[in-house]
Amino acid sequence: GQQLNQSPQSMFIQEGEDVSMNCTSSSIFNTWLWYKQDPGEGPVLLIALYKAGELTSNGRLTAQFGITRKDSFLNISASIPSDVGIYFCAGLSNTGNQFYFGTGTSLTVIP
Amino acid sequence: DGGITQSPKYLFRKEGQNVTLSCEQNLNHDAMYWYRQDPGQGLRLIYYSQIVNDFQKGDIAEGYSVSREKKESFPLTVTSAQKNPTAFYLCATKSGGAGTGELFFGEGSRLTVL
Repeated sequence: GQQLNQSPQSMFIQEGEDVSMNCTSSSIFNTWLWYKQDPGEGPVLLIALYKAGELTSNGRLTAQFGITRKDSFLNISASIPSDVGIYFCAGLSNTGNQFYFGTGTSLTVIP
Repeated sequence: DGGITQSPKYLFRKEGQNVTLSCEQNLNHDAMYWYRQDPGQGLRLIYYSQIVNDFQKGDIAEGYSVSREKKESFPLTVTSAQKNPTAFYLCATKSGGAGTGELFFGEGSRLTVL
């Protein structure tokens, strides 16, 4: 199945810095989802996006649904140590019930 | 408590043995999924079910089997035919209808073959 291109693969940042990551697809999606996963745990849904151009926030997290419907961005502002983990995107096409996933961005926050 | 319950969280298996991973949900979602997660790779779909008594193969179904006799339950059996079964397995459910909704995950089951 299709895998989404997610970048960067890893990030090492200082506490308090902002973080940006993105996903791109060769296909159009109707829904973009962003998750955070801690080691040995299941992914937790952070933000869901449903419309092209939509900008949605969840606390310090902001995500955008790209205008072309082939990309999405996640920003984390003022990072804190508990932001450490793996973030990944998922896209759902409008033709079915299958999701496609990015390979993840590993975030390390240095206190 | 609502959500998706996977069990066991950790499982060890000898080569040649079949094992079954449980997934139970009380979210009243129709669609359920099984994914496999390996280090450095994205999630890969094993099987999914959109409705009771119906399921479809995903990208890596070989060596796995499922059943969907009840809406709440979608167990995954890892058979001895699966050549490299050591992995982290995730069950998920989807809200909404076809082409829309959000995907929710269980806490995962880690299978190790000795």
